[in-house]
Amino acid sequence: DQQVKQNSPSLSVQEGRISILNCDYTNSMFDYFLWYKKYPAEGPTFLISISSIKDKNEDGRFTVFLNKSAKHLSLHIVPSQPGDSAVYFCAAYFYGGATNKLIFGTGTLLAVQP
Amino acid sequence: EPEVTQTPSHQVTQMGQEVILRCVPISNHLYFYWYRQILGQKVEFLVSFYNNEISEKSEIFDDQFSVERPDGSNFTLKIRSTKLEDSAMYFCASSEAAGGGSSGYTFGSGTRLTVV
Repeated sequence: DQQVKQNSPSLSVQEGRISILNCDYTNSMFDYFLWYKKYPAEGPTFLISISSIKDKNEDGRFTVFLNKSAKHLSLHIVPSQPGDSAVYFCAAYFYGGATNKLIFGTGTLLAVQP
Repeated sequence: EPEVTQTPSHQVTQMGQEVILRCVPISNHLYFYWYRQILGQKVEFLVSFYNNEISEKSEIFDDQFSVERPDGSNFTLKIRSTKLEDSAMYFCASSEAAGGGSSGYTFGSGTRLTVV
């Protein structure tokens, strides 16, 4: 039951360019979508989130876009920096429902080349 | 900045042995979670815990697993009779609100469990 999917296992971009990470979901009941960043041997670190009632949220170099009709969200990183190289997980949850767990995608490994 | 602390960082155990993974969540958080990530795979939900009881568990979380909050600060995951396939990174997380709100959960840095 893959409710949150990241179809690109890896992405390589040049430093200074835009990185676009994509995520698709199947359940229209999700209330919040989040992006986490994970370095090897560390836990996931929260990056940015978006409520299902919004279509864009921006925080510095990071912007998340939500397209509810397509059940798709994306994370844009501009400009990309070598320190952004990590695995990025998309996650989602229902608020106030029977479950409160975060459901994670499979992750996308981003490599930013100097 | 407050953080979730997990110990040990690496645990090696013989197949069939019991292990206890320890976590100290953020002090004012009320919701606690365990996730795991088998090498190269996705981060999988195991269990959520609130008000001193399990609020949800996945099908992975069978009778082999148990969680406990033995005092006001620790949150433990016990795995009885470990199997080779239990080898994974285990992450503890906590949140102030159910579901984590707009900032999600705060994760610990994980315990790498190796079953040999």
